[in-house]
Amino acid sequence: ELKVEQNPLFLSMQEGKNYTIYCNYSTTSDRLYWYRQDPGKSLESLFVLLSNGAVKQEGRLMASLDTKARLSTLHITAAVHDLSATYFCAVDMFQGAQKLVFGQGTRLTINP
Amino acid sequence: GAVVSQHPSRVICKSGTSVKIECRSLDFQATTMFWYRQFPKQSLMLMATSNEGSKATYEQGVEKDKFLINHASLTLSTLTVTSAHPEDSSFYICSAQDSGPAQPQHFGDGTRLSIL
Repeated sequence: ELKVEQNPLFLSMQEGKNYTIYCNYSTTSDRLYWYRQDPGKSLESLFVLLSNGAVKQEGRLMASLDTKARLSTLHITAAVHDLSATYFCAVDMFQGAQKLVFGQGTRLTINP
Repeated sequence: GAVVSQHPSRVICKSGTSVKIECRSLDFQATTMFWYRQFPKQSLMLMATSNEGSKATYEQGVEKDKFLINHASLTLSTLTVTSAHPEDSSFYICSAQDSGPAQPQHFGDGTRLSIL
């Protein structure tokens, strides 16, 4: 069965702190995506990771991919309140067929 | 960047009504679009893959006769929820992928469907 599992599912943290969200998946894939969703809104694309060892950074967020371990991480540096949202990883399980399997989502709350 | 427009954003209607949701790619052509369903505080579940000019491919457990998909052009896919019932209430989101290597899917704003 194809599975994408995120950890943790809920995360409450203070501004200024660092933290990492983990995304494990169960089968071979070299395409992984990170999305952000605000309450009541749709998904915003954050990162596209296409190969083993890929690392991408945008502002306080950095994403990496280890295809051998079937693991991606989303690291938050010096969190600010504006980053509060639900973050989803999604894996293209079918080698470019564009069918995405989503993780459960990590609800991130950043407190002042 | 690529823009996907979804309409309507919210629908409230009586049980038994059929509801059509439109998904348009505004600045690119999409031979393939995707329809997802999201229950409150849960993840997205792929319902079907919409293919321009051919039949949609439905995921296991999704009723083809309940959720009719039409992809008549390279920029428009529609999802019709037929004879909707309260259990069909959900947030429906479409997406499309631009051409080119490993582009992310771009998502519409979603349609919140409430069946009374």
